[in-house]
Amino acid sequence: GAGVSQSPRYKVAKRGQDVALRCDPISGHVSLFWYQQALGQGPEFLTYFQNEAQLDKSGLPSDRFFAERPEGSVSTLKIQRTQQEDSAVYLCASSLGQGGSEQYFGPGTRLTVT
Amino acid sequence: AQSVAQPEDQVNVAEGNPLTVKCTYSVSGNPYLFWYVQYPNRGLQFLLKYITGDNLVKGSYGFEAEFNKSQTSFHLKKPSALVSDSALYFCAVRGPLGGYQKVTFGTGTKLQVIP
Repeated sequence: GAGVSQSPRYKVAKRGQDVALRCDPISGHVSLFWYQQALGQGPEFLTYFQNEAQLDKSGLPSDRFFAERPEGSVSTLKIQRTQQEDSAVYLCASSLGQGGSEQYFGPGTRLTVT
Repeated sequence: AQSVAQPEDQVNVAEGNPLTVKCTYSVSGNPYLFWYVQYPNRGLQFLLKYITGDNLVKGSYGFEAEFNKSQTSFHLKKPSALVSDSALYFCAVRGPLGGYQKVTFGTGTKLQVIP
């Protein structure tokens, strides 16, 4: 079956540009997470959705970062006025529920800000 | 606040030998514990999890992990390593039970299996 997909896989942006990263979770998965992963590091939590509700956005590093999941399926992570420190791999994961449900990860979007 | 520690940045093991990748955690209450593997240029893949019950859990590709509450550890093990097991391994914790809980990942351990 289809897994979690993310697009684009690679994005190069000039400093100051806005970018939008898309995540298509597994159909029927209630929970959706966004993570930021620096090279050689573990995923760092950004934000969490349960259906269309954004229950936790405590990991978003600044108000330039914005995420939405308006219909409870596809999600978009938007970064405004990109900075070089935003360069990272952005991972999306979905899970069937909370608690003990394992997460299924997409391949990630590698963002490079020049 | 919850946290996960993976004390080894890299583990080297000869093919055919047993392997252990260490993980300790800190969380209030009883945790959910997970292991994920990341192959080069691939997303993270779920290996196994501990929720409750038997302290020894078995997962994909012959991996297993032992939950030790007194030592707050959840070490990943495999009896006989394969070269194809070479990858980056992440331990994760989610807890305590009930309600919404954030998942916290460790910094990862690179496993190198030497032919």
